[in-house]
Amino acid sequence: GESVGLHLPTLSVQEGDNSIINCAYSNSASDYFIWYKQESGKGPQFIIDIRSNMDKRQGQRVTVLLNKTVKHLSLQIAATQPGDSAVYFCAEDSRLMEYGNKLVFGAGTILRVKS
Amino acid sequence: ETGVTQTPRHLVMGMTNKKSLKCEQHLGHNAMYWYKQSAKKPLELMFVYSLEERVENNSVPSRFSPECPNSSHLFLHLHTLQPEDSALYLCASSRGHNNSPLHFGNGTRLTVT
Repeated sequence: GESVGLHLPTLSVQEGDNSIINCAYSNSASDYFIWYKQESGKGPQFIIDIRSNMDKRQGQRVTVLLNKTVKHLSLQIAATQPGDSAVYFCAEDSRLMEYGNKLVFGAGTILRVKS
Repeated sequence: ETGVTQTPRHLVMGMTNKKSLKCEQHLGHNAMYWYKQSAKKPLELMFVYSLEERVENNSVPSRFSPECPNSSHLFLHLHTLQPEDSALYLCASSRGHNNSPLHFGNGTRLTVT
């Protein structure tokens, strides 16, 4: 079936350490993936995306890795800061619509940064 | 500022009330979306509009009625809701073509009493 799954974890990291958040997806036809960050009282905020013709993409302090062989996506945050504390979602574009995007979201991972 | 503005931020309504949620996007996007976010569940897609035409209705009960008068505005009309409809309702917009991210508003927190 079509699903994007996170093992609903809470990841606690020390300020300044690197964080790695993982995501497994099951739809091998998906060719576009996005990471979102959601802080309390706010909507999901776009962090970084990656197309399936790439296996790595870097942004400012963030890196997304895509392993299509095992259908795995990860988000790496360098030098984690207290402001990074939030729920992180991965999403895949299942390309079921000619217009618009049908994103399927994972359940989310809570990231807690300890000072 | 996300470029997608939702009002109201909070809404409490009885099961017999009629209310509407409003969304406006200032990003020049062609597609708009309604998502429902409940506790401990992944975001659920409700409706998609592309160029003001509904292209997806994800088996949503008829007590939720969307309206998209133009590419910048999206409404969700609510009537005779149930307590289990209490959730965060998120609006999003995108360029509408493949491989373009959605940009979300901050949502309306709805409580049905």
